[in-house]
Amino acid sequence: AQSVTQLDSHVSVSEGTPVLLRCNYSSSYSPSLFWYVQHPNKGLQLLLKYTSAATLVKGINGFEAEFKKSETSFHLTKPSAHMSDAAEYFCVVPMNRDDKIIFGKGTRLHILP
Amino acid sequence: NAGVTQTPKFQVLKTGQSMTLQCAQDMNHEYMSWYRQDPGMGLRLIHYSVGAGITDQGEVPNGYNVSRSTTEDFPLRLLSAAPSQTSVYFCASRGGGNAGQPQHFGDGTRLSIL
Repeated sequence: AQSVTQLDSHVSVSEGTPVLLRCNYSSSYSPSLFWYVQHPNKGLQLLLKYTSAATLVKGINGFEAEFKKSETSFHLTKPSAHMSDAAEYFCVVPMNRDDKIIFGKGTRLHILP
Repeated sequence: NAGVTQTPKFQVLKTGQSMTLQCAQDMNHEYMSWYRQDPGMGLRLIHYSVGAGITDQGEVPNGYNVSRSTTEDFPLRLLSAAPSQTSVYFCASRGGGNAGQPQHFGDGTRLSIL
């Protein structure tokens, strides 16, 4: 069965320390993987996208993610957290060619001063 | 540069009432989708459309109807609102090709059913 699992529902880090948000997936159709960010009372914004050109993908605001096929993982990282990074993050995997895509349940990132 | 526009932003309904959530995009995107977001559930696909005149069901279609008469518009109809439909609704669109294209989201409609 196709699925996407975000391993932590909440992550808290101190400002200036590294961020790791974990995502594992299972999909027979996975030419692309995405991370989206949602700030409070806002819609979702694309953070980065993997399309098989390179396993390490750089996104906006200093985030990056590494695609590891052997581990079926697509973890999101950032070297140094900023207060403005506090938001909810979603890992997204397409199920098929059309718009049946699967969202993870989300990871809420808290930044401690 | 409007992108995806959803109206209204907030709505309160009584059980049994009907309403239509509007979604419009100005990017000439073929694909449009409706999602609902509930705490701890991520986003779940309600209905989607791969082009004008073509719609299909997603993961949670019951209680909702859609139509796509133009490329720009993709309204979502609740025929008889139920408290279980209290949620935040997001419309999204993307360009053609395959699901590797990123989606563009509206800011959402917050719907409460009393």
